[in-house]
Amino acid sequence: EAEVAQSPRYKITEKSQAVAFWCDPISGHATLYWYRQILGQGPELLVQFQDESVVDDSQLPKDRFSAERLKGVDSTLKIQPAELGDSAMYLCASSQSNDNEQFFGPGTRLTVL
Amino acid sequence: GENVEQHPSTLSVQEGDSAVIKCTYSDSASNYFPWYKQELGKRPQLIIDIRSNVGEKKDQRIAVTLNKTAKHFSLHITETQPEDSAVYFCAASVEDYKLSFGAGTTVTVRA
Repeated sequence: EAEVAQSPRYKITEKSQAVAFWCDPISGHATLYWYRQILGQGPELLVQFQDESVVDDSQLPKDRFSAERLKGVDSTLKIQPAELGDSAMYLCASSQSNDNEQFFGPGTRLTVL
Repeated sequence: GENVEQHPSTLSVQEGDSAVIKCTYSDSASNYFPWYKQELGKRPQLIIDIRSNVGEKKDQRIAVTLNKTAKHFSLHITETQPEDSAVYFCAASVEDYKLSFGAGTTVTVRA
């Protein structure tokens, strides 16, 4: 069964450093989402792509976060500079166009020291 | 935007008993309501979903009910087993497919 892939699974960094996370959605899924999940809370949408275009980035802290999906397939989420409050699980999900069901990747757990 | 509230935050049940988790949503335009199960350290996985044109849906031991008038929906797990222990998230979505999640319910099934 196809799954969403993410790397790295764990990342420890010091504040003010740059970090990047990668996501490979299920083949054929045009819609890709990045979520942040703080411990003990539900996932919160950061950015939504339709193919290579950003559909919604209203909750993305654009002063330090950026996301791209240049060829409409895999995607990268970057944080620069990282802050202590960025420590969280970063989840990627994908879905087919015009379909609500989202499939999640295993996530990248970020710890900022 | 959509606001989803989920209760209770923790739930402990005896093996074999039923578990019920309730969620309310704010946006009357929401039309899709999935439930995800997340085991410790693992990805959220869809266990059941319901759309606004249906009032109830069942899949073996799990069922979801939706009350559009009251803007709430519930997850019911019957004959609970130890492997049902996990965090459960409800979510709601409008036409743009963006999911708004509840805060989660930690379910513990006591053997």
